[in-house]
Amino acid sequence: QSALTQPASVSGSPGQSITISCTGTSSDVGGYNYVSWYQQHPGKAPKLMIYEVSNRPSGVPDRFSGSKSGNTASLTISGLQAEDEADYYCSSYTSSSTLFWVFGGGTKLTVL
Amino acid sequence: EVQLVQSGAEVKKPGESLKISCKGSGYSFTSYWIGWVRQMPGKGLEWMGIIYPGDSDTRYSPSFQGQVTISADKSISTAYLQWSSLKASDTAMYYCARQQLYGVDYWGQGTLVTVSS
Repeated sequence: QSALTQPASVSGSPGQSITISCTGTSSDVGGYNYVSWYQQHPGKAPKLMIYEVSNRPSGVPDRFSGSKSGNTASLTISGLQAEDEADYYCSSYTSSSTLFWVFGGGTKLTVL
Repeated sequence: EVQLVQSGAEVKKPGESLKISCKGSGYSFTSYWIGWVRQMPGKGLEWMGIIYPGDSDTRYSPSFQGQVTISADKSISTAYLQWSSLKASDTAMYYCARQQLYGVDYWGQGTLVTVSS
């Protein structure tokens, strides 16, 4: 069982917007602004898409955005494109693990 | 350019030992935590453990404590993940990852470990 809870799957049509939630506790998501999001295509290593809740690394399209409210962080993808179909994982710094960080269980995004 | 380059795929038999590697370049290897992440076939990402090469401080997830050994040789900027006796259930992709406070900023390309009799 993952420390952070994500929906198993979401879907959307090209051009639409979708949001993936990531729910934790006050010991992780709610307590720190160290939430990150990763995109993983089949057979590939994960790729950092969002860090510190809402910052985008260089090269990540501005269609990807992040936010947080209380113990829940969210990743929003607007203007969905076929290449956005992938697995998405959230991660947060945590004070309740000696490893400092925890992952969510992952969300499969299907572009219809 | 920051890079983490992992050793190649391995095919092993149950009970065999294995050590895979992750070589960092393009940054100060001793200044960042390096983590190991397991991804079993069709499953999500799991933290196995982390090491700070600067002082070899090593921490393990309870699920992996005693099952694997994480180490680092800072003289050659390389981190290792080691098993003394592999099981079929160790079949997975293993990633090394450079940690920032907010999470992982760089990932290795992954090492596929297959354990089969």
